[in-house]
Amino acid sequence: AQSVTQLGSHVSVSEGALVLLRCNYSSSVPPYLFWYVQYPNQGLQLLLKYTTGATLVKGINGFEAEFKKSETSFHLTKPSAHMSDAAEYVCAVSGDNAGNMLTFGGGTRLMVKP
Amino acid sequence: EPEVTQTPSHQVTQMGQEVILRCVPISNHLYFYWYRQILGQKVEFLVSFYNNEISEKSEIFDDQFSVERPDGSNFTLKIRSTKLEDSAMYFCASTPGQGRTGELFFGEGSRLTVL
Repeated sequence: AQSVTQLGSHVSVSEGALVLLRCNYSSSVPPYLFWYVQYPNQGLQLLLKYTTGATLVKGINGFEAEFKKSETSFHLTKPSAHMSDAAEYVCAVSGDNAGNMLTFGGGTRLMVKP
Repeated sequence: EPEVTQTPSHQVTQMGQEVILRCVPISNHLYFYWYRQILGQKVEFLVSFYNNEISEKSEIFDDQFSVERPDGSNFTLKIRSTKLEDSAMYFCASTPGQGRTGELFFGEGSRLTVL
């Protein structure tokens, strides 16, 4: 079984500031981890994913995340927030099977202040 | 860019009524999924579908739910007799192949409101 915990349902940063969105997971098998972004009235768009190999993965819009096995974490970061980054960010882990059943975290709403 | 499309974007129905939510997955994709998100809660897996049959389903996906691929393009979710607690955003997703690496391509969702 697997689960995902996102600390902080709401995060507010100033434009230009560092963005850090936290995600911790549990998985009975080596995890495959995903970050999705959801803009209002839109679907879930993949930001980035970790499967195997390099633990620092880069995604779209300047976001990156680092897989830390020892901490069971996959935190999402961006050096400098833009107003357009305001959205819901959802972390997910894939199922411990051959399929693509994802288990999602509760999401973090990022607000960017001018 | 190919995308998953869902209709309707919003449906309001009375408790006990049947609802069908429709999805057109990306054309060369083989695996299809329904997820739902109750307001303020996590996105939850409902069911996956491959080769005209259900491959996995969650505890949520009880006898009130069914899925179908009636033709070569549509993928539907039917709720036979809606309950208040079925009110949620329902997301369809597709992926080209099996395997845990799969990026799920999500539609924009269908919001179901049961009164």
